[in-house]
Amino acid sequence: EDQVTQSPEALRLQEGESSSLNCSYTVSGLRGLFWYRQDPGKGPEFLFTLYSAGEEKEKERLKATLTKKESFLHITAPKPEDSATYLCAVQGSNYQLIWGAGTKLIIKP
Amino acid sequence: DSGVTQTPKHLITATGQRVTLRCSPRSGDLSVYWYQQSLDQGLQFLIQYYNGEERAKGNILERFSAQQFPDLHSELNLSSLELGDSALYFCASSVVGGNEQFFGPGTRLTVL
Repeated sequence: EDQVTQSPEALRLQEGESSSLNCSYTVSGLRGLFWYRQDPGKGPEFLFTLYSAGEEKEKERLKATLTKKESFLHITAPKPEDSATYLCAVQGSNYQLIWGAGTKLIIKP
Repeated sequence: DSGVTQTPKHLITATGQRVTLRCSPRSGDLSVYWYQQSLDQGLQFLIQYYNGEERAKGNILERFSAQQFPDLHSELNLSSLELGDSALYFCASSVVGGNEQFFGPGTRLTVL
């Protein structure tokens, strides 16, 4: 069964303290792995798509990486405005997205 | 701004009532998706339309229905509303079914 698990559920960091969020997945025929950011009460905002193991993408303080079993979202020197819930989703051979429950990231100034 | 619009932003209604949520996809996008997100819960996929036809169904209740019109906008109809239907409802669109989805701002439904 296709499945996505994100960890930790919540992460509290000091401003400038780098860390990583994890997205573990089981899917038949990975077509893509997607990262989104969601602010409270708002729609998810698209960040990255990764298609194959070894691929990396960067945007400002965020860097996403992909292996055959998991993806990491690395946050370097985060700022309070990076506080949000980060969602991971995978697309399998049936083209449907399977969503993780998200990691709530809180950056304290 | 993702380019996906949703109306209304807020909706307050009573149990047993029926409401319609509206979504306009990004220009050029043929696929529309509907999601439900209850308080502090994850995104629950409801249904997908592609160029006017239903493409996939998720955890959509029989009391809920949707359609996509020739101009590609979509409507989600919720009937016989229950307290548990209170949630944020998001619409997303993509160019081709299965690519990156871009989300609208959502409609917050409160059932009293």
